[in-house]
Amino acid sequence: GENVEQHPSTLSVQEGDSAVIKCTYSDSASNYFPWYKQELGKRPQLIIDIRSNVGEKKDQRIAVTLNKTAKHFSLHITETQPEDSAVYFCAAIDPLNSGYALNFGKGTSLLVTP
Amino acid sequence: NAGVTQTPKFRVLKTGQSMTLLCAQDMNHEYMYWYRQDPGMGLRLIHYSVGEGTTAKGEVPDGYNVSRLKKQNFLLGLESAAPSQTSVYFCASRRRSRGLAGVSTSYEQYFGPGTRLTVT
Repeated sequence: GENVEQHPSTLSVQEGDSAVIKCTYSDSASNYFPWYKQELGKRPQLIIDIRSNVGEKKDQRIAVTLNKTAKHFSLHITETQPEDSAVYFCAAIDPLNSGYALNFGKGTSLLVTP
Repeated sequence: NAGVTQTPKFRVLKTGQSMTLLCAQDMNHEYMYWYRQDPGMGLRLIHYSVGEGTTAKGEVPDGYNVSRLKKQNFLLGLESAAPSQTSVYFCASRRRSRGLAGVSTSYEQYFGPGTRLTVT
């Protein structure tokens, strides 16, 4: 099955700086890569996703890049704000098994200090 | 629309007790999933269903059973709870969307608020 690795596990940045979280996946057949933000005690919330036919996608201060050849994708948050502090999860779809279930990375705890 | 709801929100069980977690969605989604979330582990798939009356095992199915008798409901059962099943359980759903040549065009999953289960 799909294996998703996520780094770093914790990340601390100053307000206004950029944050980058990286993920790798193992199954070359994976074709959908969402990023979720989870605040303490809350459900995961989709913040951005990318399909395998696209190399980059942006939504205001958030961007995701995908390198299919290297099998890695990254989340970029620019001009970070304290409210960006949360745990971020990357995921990949296994298109051949598990009913298109998500395989998650272990998460990155992002802290943005004022 | 309520989206995806889960019942109960919290529960404490003693080892060996049984319980059922209920997930309900009002979006007419075909696919439903049960994940568990443990500290430092991300979310892991327990069971899933691709339609009413069908279920299948995920990555960590041992100790759990599921049923999907109605399209809008997906039940997760623990027959004999163990401390290792202490976790936060999330249900999710997604619609089946087929484009040209039967390729799925929508993968987004919608999550419920979670159930925090403690087994002592």
